[in-house]
Amino acid sequence: DTAVSQTPKYLVTQMGNDKSIKCEQNLGHDTMYWYKQDSKKFLKIMFSYNNKELIINETVPNRFSPKSPDKAHLNLHINSLELGDSAVYFCASSQARAGGAGELFFGEGSRLTVL
Amino acid sequence: SQKIEQNSEALNIQEGKTATLTCNYTNYSPAYLQWYRQDPGRGPVFLLLIRENEKEKRKERLKVTFDTTLKQSLFHITASQPADSATYLCALSPNTDKLIFGTGTRLQVFP
Repeated sequence: DTAVSQTPKYLVTQMGNDKSIKCEQNLGHDTMYWYKQDSKKFLKIMFSYNNKELIINETVPNRFSPKSPDKAHLNLHINSLELGDSAVYFCASSQARAGGAGELFFGEGSRLTVL
Repeated sequence: SQKIEQNSEALNIQEGKTATLTCNYTNYSPAYLQWYRQDPGRGPVFLLLIRENEKEKRKERLKVTFDTTLKQSLFHITASQPADSATYLCALSPNTDKLIFGTGTRLQVFP
């Protein structure tokens, strides 16, 4: 009965490939996020969607394209993967917008390794 | 520039003692500050939220303080246990849409 679930958990791929990570939440939340955690464990926001509308795009390269088909799903597609894209990608959701005292519920992460 | 700083060195303490973790920020005026716990290979888990007009918040063995003058939050775990060993992240809201995280402090509690 996982609240925020991401697939796949691990992804190993070659430079130049295109890959997707999927996220689903069953909490009924309106807002969903993608965060990237690098090798130094720094957690950096990438995107935020509120009720399928993009509200944050943190100067992420346009090789990264989020898609929210409905408010329970937020997927991340990455084109032309580069070595620097290797990281753990976390999906999260919140009822209120994050800055409005909304606590975040995180998924378990998707570890992407680009060779 | 805007920064959220936590002690990057691990904090090692003995079981039963109080652990105190620090979060300092510059060039932010957050209305809220949150603390999360992250275990290896897992996603962060929310612990506590404190508002700018609250000086202190408690939950079981956890206590958070928020000093907007010093631009600092302290996170205390009393009667610490080995199971408290994890990385603790502070996070703040620079506006209504974002939650920005600090770099985290790893806590190790020894029996």
